[in-house]
Amino acid sequence: QSVLTQPPSVSAAPGQKVTISCSGSSSNIGKNFVSWYQQLPGTAPKLLIYDNDQRPSGIPDRFSASSSGTSATLGITGLQTGDEADYYCATWDSSLSIEVFGGGTKLTVL
Amino acid sequence: QVQLVQSGAEVKKPGASVKVSCKASGYTFTAYAVHWVRQAPGQRLEWMGWIQGDTGKTKYSQKFQGRVTVTRHTSARTVYMQLSSLRSEDTAVYYCAREGSGQHPVPYYMDVWGEGTTVTVSS
Repeated sequence: QSVLTQPPSVSAAPGQKVTISCSGSSSNIGKNFVSWYQQLPGTAPKLLIYDNDQRPSGIPDRFSASSSGTSATLGITGLQTGDEADYYCATWDSSLSIEVFGGGTKLTVL
Repeated sequence: QVQLVQSGAEVKKPGASVKVSCKASGYTFTAYAVHWVRQAPGQRLEWMGWIQGDTGKTKYSQKFQGRVTVTRHTSARTVYMQLSSLRSEDTAVYYCAREGSGQHPVPYYMDVWGEGTTVTVSS
């Protein structure tokens, strides 16, 4: 069982919006920055969001994120078939002294 | 451009060791820490540890303590991850990733990833 809890899957139609939640605790999300990664099938993860809500250059503004208390949320608008991937949240856990990842959420664009 | 290039796939027998390399280019090698993350088939990402770019100081997940060693060869701009006493559960894709914030006491985020190295442990 992951320290960070994500829904196993989400789905939505092309053009729609979807949100992915990441639930943690006071020792991880409640204390440290959250990052989000996109992993397309058979490829390495790619940084989507860092420092809770910052997009690296080249990441479209269709991707957004926020963090409050012990939870974080990734939002994707204007869904495209190319967005079908696994999405992971991650942060440092100050109690465990390890970087922890969520269990991943598989996004299906119907 | 910033790039991390990893060594090729490995097949090992239980009890053996594996050493995976990660060659960096396109940035000041000593200014950034490097992480190692693995992913077993169909499983989530799992952080193994990291090495600071300037000091070479390492920190490992307690899960791998005693079995994993991360080192670096500065002039070769290469980081290595060695995992010993391999068992079937270590079959996974192993990734190196650059710490995007540079160097901090704790990780912030991983901004550049290697392509992954598949390690298969089988008798």
